[in-house]
Amino acid sequence: EAGVAQSPRYKIIEKRQSVAFWCNPISGHATLYWYQQILGQGPKLLIQFQNNGVVDDSQLPKDRFSAERLKGVDSTLKIQPAKLEDSAVYLCASSLGSSVGETQYFGPGTRLLVL
Amino acid sequence: DQQVKQNSPSLSVQEGRISILNCDYTNSMFDYFLWYKKYPAEGPTFLISISSIKDKNEDGRFTVFLNKSAKHLSLHIVPSQPGDSAVYFCAARDSNSGYALNFGKGTSLLVTP
Repeated sequence: EAGVAQSPRYKIIEKRQSVAFWCNPISGHATLYWYQQILGQGPKLLIQFQNNGVVDDSQLPKDRFSAERLKGVDSTLKIQPAKLEDSAVYLCASSLGSSVGETQYFGPGTRLLVL
Repeated sequence: DQQVKQNSPSLSVQEGRISILNCDYTNSMFDYFLWYKKYPAEGPTFLISISSIKDKNEDGRFTVFLNKSAKHLSLHIVPSQPGDSAVYFCAARDSNSGYALNFGKGTSLLVTP
């Protein structure tokens, strides 16, 4: 079974530029998550989708971050404009459903450096 | 506001010995707890979990213990192997809040031969 795919793996941009990350979840997984992991911290949820609907985006900085999952499969996360403090690893995860015992499977992440 | 705390940033254990990783939480609404393992340049991988209605869950060399009154859980690895060297994240979820995982900062485990 193929895992969660993410691209690009690394990205370096200057502040105020825009950037987009792509995620392809495990086939058949209805729930998709984007996490931000700053160096030395644990992952922090940015947004959760159930199929193509948003379940939780309470911690997404909506003035600069946006995410979509148009067909309920792939998802993109965009930052526009980027700030220095956005430097982090952006992890995508998916799970079959969203019940309490569901395991979330993580992709390898996209490492973003904002200069 | 860190609701899940891993107060030991690192731990070093000899091969064959027991590794004990600790985690404390503050939110009494958490009802499911998980441990994830992370190698460099990879995403976290699910290791083991425990529901709040249990106090112990075992899977091979890995056992998780939950003490709800103390809001504390621990992961025991017996015997430890060099391949266990990784960062271990404790995570918790509140089923009334969309099942988002709240992660600790992680503990880096080094198992030496």
